This record gives sequence, structure tokens and C-alpha cells, in this order.
Amino acid sequence: EADIYQTPRYLVIGTGKKITLECSQTMGHDKMYWYQQDPGMELHLIHYSYGVNSTEKGDLSSESTVSRIRTEHFPLTLESARPSHTSQYLCASSDSSSGLQGEQFFGPGTRLTVL
Amino acid sequence: GEDVEQSLFLSVREGDSSVINCTYTDSSSTYLYWYKQEPGAGLQLLTYIFSNMDMKQDQRLTVLLNKKDKHLSLRIADTQTGDSAIYFCAEAYSGNTPLVFGKGTRLSVIA
Repeated sequence: EADIYQTPRYLVIGTGKKITLECSQTMGHDKMYWYQQDPGMELHLIHYSYGVNSTEKGDLSSESTVSRIRTEHFPLTLESARPSHTSQYLCASSDSSSGLQGEQFFGPGTRLTVL
Repeated sequence: GEDVEQSLFLSVREGDSSVINCTYTDSSSTYLYWYKQEPGAGLQLLTYIFSNMDMKQDQRLTVLLNKKDKHLSLRIADTQTGDSAIYFCAEAYSGNTPLVFGKGTRLSVIA
């Protein structure tokens, strides 16, 4: 079944640790996105990719980095986690050849808590 | 730049209609979307409308678009407790730029 997966679903970690949030999709989508979601609901685009070896920063300045070495995989890395990184992180993908421009498919999210 | 505005909260009684409103600034938007986020989950596309349409109906959902006022609304008829969620309005004006989301409207349905 085609889907988009995120692991871990929940992560509690201490300040200063390096972490990688995983995102994979089995739909063959060329575009992938990372969003940070406030407790107050607002979504902030932090990174996106329009294909392999292509990554762009989003609207919200982020200390995280991403890579896109394979079409299906778009991991997000925090080199040194801080309490201000505590948030929900949502990964999404879309297909640029789809007739419905802009339809995005979302993963279930990773809830990160940095102590 | 582009901006999408929504009211943050809406509370309705079960069985009533809900209307969630959204305004956007980019008149060149080609597609406008409504996404639904249930607790502990990612967003799911609920419905969408092309910019050359005024209205779209899909079962209990009615989307109205007023291009002159750049106003989009989502009406949910016979609202049920399962409709309790956060609803995001989003616009796409180019295939090469990401969606622009509103801040989301939290709909609470009271039994």
C-alpha cells in the first residue's frame, strides 16, 4: 500500500543531542516537505525538495538540515537539539505530474520533546 | 507575499451546520484547498476548488469561492462529533512553489 511514514512517532531527548527524524514515502512522489507545527496549530514550512539532490529552505528559519539522496527518503537532522526545538514535525510529499496541483500527502508526524 | 487568514476557533452543536472562513491575498491562486487534521495525525486533503469555480459540493461539504473578495468558505452540513478537528485552508498559485497554509481553525462539535 502506497503511504508516507515517519519514525519515530515520539521522541524525548536531552539538550545537545544529535537527532535524525526519518520520513519515507512509497508513492514515487518527486516533491517532499518538512513542516514544524506549533502547539497553537500553525504550520511552518522548514525545508522542501523537488527531487533527488535538490533541497531548499522554507519560510521558517531552522537549525535543522535535510538530505535527498533517494526519491523515497527525506530525513531531517538536528545537530544539537535545544528545548526551543520541541514541536511536532510533519513530513509530506506530492507528485508534480498529478493533475491536482499542490495536493500533499502527510505522514502522521513526530512529536519531539527536548529537555 | 502570500498570506492566508482564518479564524482560530469555531464551536457548533451536533447536527448544526459549520461554516469555516478563509481569506487569501494572492489573486493568481489557481487551486484552493481544505485540509483536515485529526488529533495526533497528519493533514488529509478534504476537498479543493479550482479558481474558475464559484462553488463545489461533495456530500456534506460545500465550498464557496468569492474571487472578487478573495474569500473561501467550507460549510459542513449536519456536523457530527467526528468532524471535530483542525481545518486548514491552503492556496497554490504555481506548480513550482509550495502550498501556503492558513493558521488553521479548530472546530469543536458539542453533542
